Amino acid sequence: NAGVTQTPKFQVLKTGQSMTLQCAQDMNHEYMSWYRQDPGMGLRLIHYSVGAGITDQGEVPNGYNVSRSTTEDFPLRLLSAAPSQTSVYFCASSDLGRGLAGVTGELFFGEGSRLTVL
Amino acid sequence: AQSVTQLDSHVSVSEGTPVLLRCNYSSSYSPSLFWYVQHPNKGLQLLLKYTSAATLVKGINGFEAEFKKSETSFHLTKPSAHMSDAAEYFCVVTRMDSSYKLIFGSGTRLLVRP
Repeated sequence: NAGVTQTPKFQVLKTGQSMTLQCAQDMNHEYMSWYRQDPGMGLRLIHYSVGAGITDQGEVPNGYNVSRSTTEDFPLRLLSAAPSQTSVYFCASSDLGRGLAGVTGELFFGEGSRLTVL
Repeated sequence: AQSVTQLDSHVSVSEGTPVLLRCNYSSSYSPSLFWYVQHPNKGLQLLLKYTSAATLVKGINGFEAEFKKSETSFHLTKPSAHMSDAAEYFCVVTRMDSSYKLIFGSGTRLLVRP
């Protein structure tokens, strides 16, 4: 099983450029999310989705957009890259079960996308 | 504000000795709690979770954790460390205002000496 697939694995951008990080899962999970990981800060939630057509903001949404047109895909768009967005980005998905208790099950993570903004 | 605190940024143990990674959370309710492990240059993997069932939770690879509401703690333990346990460990809690949002601790890097 592929699980959660992120592309690209590495990317270098110049300040002001835009790009999209791709995330796809093949487990039919309702819940998908994007995190950024910075040294000494753990992972911080950027955006999440509980199903196709439904997205919401996490802790650090500024500068990022998401959409969820299908169950499988959850791309993260950087509108105008800034050096502060240099980070490792992780996509994660989860089965919500009956969907009433939030994320109580396992999050399945991709292997990460390392982004450098010059 | 709701938070989760991992009390040690680094823990070093000898192979075969016990492991204790400490986690405290601040919450006025009983959240769902998780421990995840991250090996170098990899994504995170679930070790174990607590979701209001038994307070002693057993996970993969011999790890376990005990939920202590009175102490607001969820410490991770293992009786005997193995070299392959060297990794970074994250304590995670669901937010009070939205159980779809998770808060990650800052991580504890476990070093295992031969």
